[in-house]
Amino acid sequence: NAGVTQTPKFQVLKTGQSMTLQCAQDMNHEYMSWYRQDPGMGLRLIHYSVGAGITDQGEVPNGYNVSRSTTEDFPLRLLSAAPSQTSVYFCASISGGVAEAFFGQGTRLTVV
Amino acid sequence: SQELEQSPQSLIVQEGKNLTINCTSSKTLYGLYWYKQKYGEGLIFLMMLQKGGEEKSHEKITAKLDEKKQQSSLHITASQPSHAGIYLCGADTTGNQFYFGTGTSLTVIP
Repeated sequence: NAGVTQTPKFQVLKTGQSMTLQCAQDMNHEYMSWYRQDPGMGLRLIHYSVGAGITDQGEVPNGYNVSRSTTEDFPLRLLSAAPSQTSVYFCASISGGVAEAFFGQGTRLTVV
Repeated sequence: SQELEQSPQSLIVQEGKNLTINCTSSKTLYGLYWYKQKYGEGLIFLMMLQKGGEEKSHEKITAKLDEKKQQSSLHITASQPSHAGIYLCGADTTGNQFYFGTGTSLTVIP
């Protein structure tokens, strides 16, 4: 089925550990983005990409890295996890221009 | 800072009552999306509005985008327990960055 595949669904990390959240889409969308969702704050944009090889910072980029080597994949890296990064993360994929956004199922990350 | 202001933050209504959720931007919206999220689950797309004055309906949910394209409202008629969840508005206000409102938590009491 076409859509956005986000892995893992759940993850527990110790402070200082690193990990990569994977996001892949098979709809040939140019625009992909990562959000974190925290209680009372809605979805906040971390990083986004308007095409392969192009990434930019969103609202809350500190502590996260991204890369976009292919149109399909947009991984989010936590280099040194901190408790403040405990959150639910969503990856989104949107076709060019104004169109429907497709979301992954989310990753619930806990940093202890 | 939040690009989109959503109100109210939470809503508790009796089954059968109507309700409205608002989403306001200080900038022109290039496209406004409404999503629903059931607690602990992913986001479900409800509808998208592009043109000023546009109105769309899906079952008992109606969304409108005002003429100036800076505010949208989501209206639920005769609410049911299945409508419970978090409603999020999302929009492209710059041409490249998609932002979301803070969400409205809806509880429907049977």
